[in-house]
Amino acid sequence: QLVESGGGVVQPGGSLILSCAGSGFTFRSDAMHWVRQAPGKGLEWVAVMSYDVKTDYYADSVKGRFTVSRDDATFFLQMHNLRPDDTAVYLCARKSGPLNTREGMDVWGQGTTVTVS
Amino acid sequence: EIVLTQSPVTLSLSPGHRATLSCRASHNIDINLAWYQHKPGHPPRLLIYGASTRAIDVPDRFSGGGSGTEFSFTISSLQADDFAVYYCQQYDQWPPWTFGQGTKVEIK
Repeated sequence: QLVESGGGVVQPGGSLILSCAGSGFTFRSDAMHWVRQAPGKGLEWVAVMSYDVKTDYYADSVKGRFTVSRDDATFFLQMHNLRPDDTAVYLCARKSGPLNTREGMDVWGQGTTVTVS
Repeated sequence: EIVLTQSPVTLSLSPGHRATLSCRASHNIDINLAWYQHKPGHPPRLLIYGASTRAIDVPDRFSGGGSGTEFSFTISSLQADDFAVYYCQQYDQWPPWTFGQGTKVEIK
């Protein structure tokens, strides 16, 4: 399982850094995603980073404000200029192997809550 | 962007009954579709990938089918633990990776 941390309450325009670590395993060979779920809504993809750090992509709603990064054991989401509509539970998820192999997200965390108010 | 439309929004069924969910893609995504189960306070769980392949340790009462733009997901006999929200997700054309809006399977 993955474990997220770093959520909290932040004012509009503020910043926050979320972390995601593997519980008993590493994901150094895997692509990693951030997905969020706003209150009462469904799952929304946010961002992804390839295993080799060479490639990252972002949802249009967060482009220019959010940045992903990773080291050997932790996957990060830096969030800047936060808006009330960024309020959500943020979950990290693993996509096994390279980014361009077509597979689902097979390991997830429970998420960490970000409230922008 | 590939838009996924799930139906119905809510499915009210009794334990032991069969549940059939639908997911329609706005463009051809071949078989690059996954199904997830999500319960409040729990991580989403990958059930099906490649439209019809069960993930590790997924019971065989869960099955998926379809290709192109029309997909289905079936729970052959609902167990108490199966009442949850189910999402389809495409990984054929990205970014973005997109999810359907979810189908809630609730106890009747």
